[in-house]
Amino acid sequence: ENVLTQSPGTLSLSPGERATLSCRASQSVTNNFLAWYQQKPGQAPRLLIYRASSRVTGIPDRFSGSGSGTDFTLTISGLQPEDFAVYYCQQHGGSPPITFGGGTKVEIK
Amino acid sequence: QVQLQESGPGLVKPSQTLSLTCTVSGGSISSGGYYWSWIRQFPGKGLEWIGYIYSSGTTETDYNPSLRRRVTISMDMSENQVSLNLSSVSTADTAVYYCARVAMTVVRGVTRSFYGMDVWGHGTTVTVSS
Repeated sequence: ENVLTQSPGTLSLSPGERATLSCRASQSVTNNFLAWYQQKPGQAPRLLIYRASSRVTGIPDRFSGSGSGTDFTLTISGLQPEDFAVYYCQQHGGSPPITFGGGTKVEIK
Repeated sequence: QVQLQESGPGLVKPSQTLSLTCTVSGGSISSGGYYWSWIRQFPGKGLEWIGYIYSSGTTETDYNPSLRRRVTISMDMSENQVSLNLSSVSTADTAVYYCARVAMTVVRGVTRSFYGMDVWGHGTTVTVSS
């Protein structure tokens, strides 16, 4: 199983600040099949980024993904009030083919 | 646009079978290019992939090895629905259950592209309790 470890568990920041979220895989992620999701309370996760760095249509360009192999990063440049949420990384490959990270909560400082 | 809606009992007794349905509107589940997945989220907020199904002529399924003995995912083309059955449930199966569309292509067992889970249902809460 490819275990994804997200850090930090909680990120306390003010609106306008930059958020840097980490996702580390226990094994190399096949073809960088790594996605990022945002989840707000009472809602389903929403896809933000796929293939490590490709932004979904309609997602603001302040969200960016980077990384390869086992280390990946989601950056939110200039936090907006609606960005305070929990973020999950997900990978495809291996057995089971899909695993999720434990999440990073971005909260208002 | 494509929308997904989960439905099923909110309360299941231990040792019984949990049965949920995901109704897809705005697109056909057999149109190809997409897998249809079940995911659950535990009260502590962790997400777990349960399995997925694909059909475009032939039907393929894959399940989380940790659940394989107890889970079955199937499709009803006539109703445009994807179903989940999880047998012998315990309190550890209490969770919010989501269905989601997975944009990916697999050729001869090798994933050629993976674009993530791009459409999700709202989720349905299932509690296992006597």
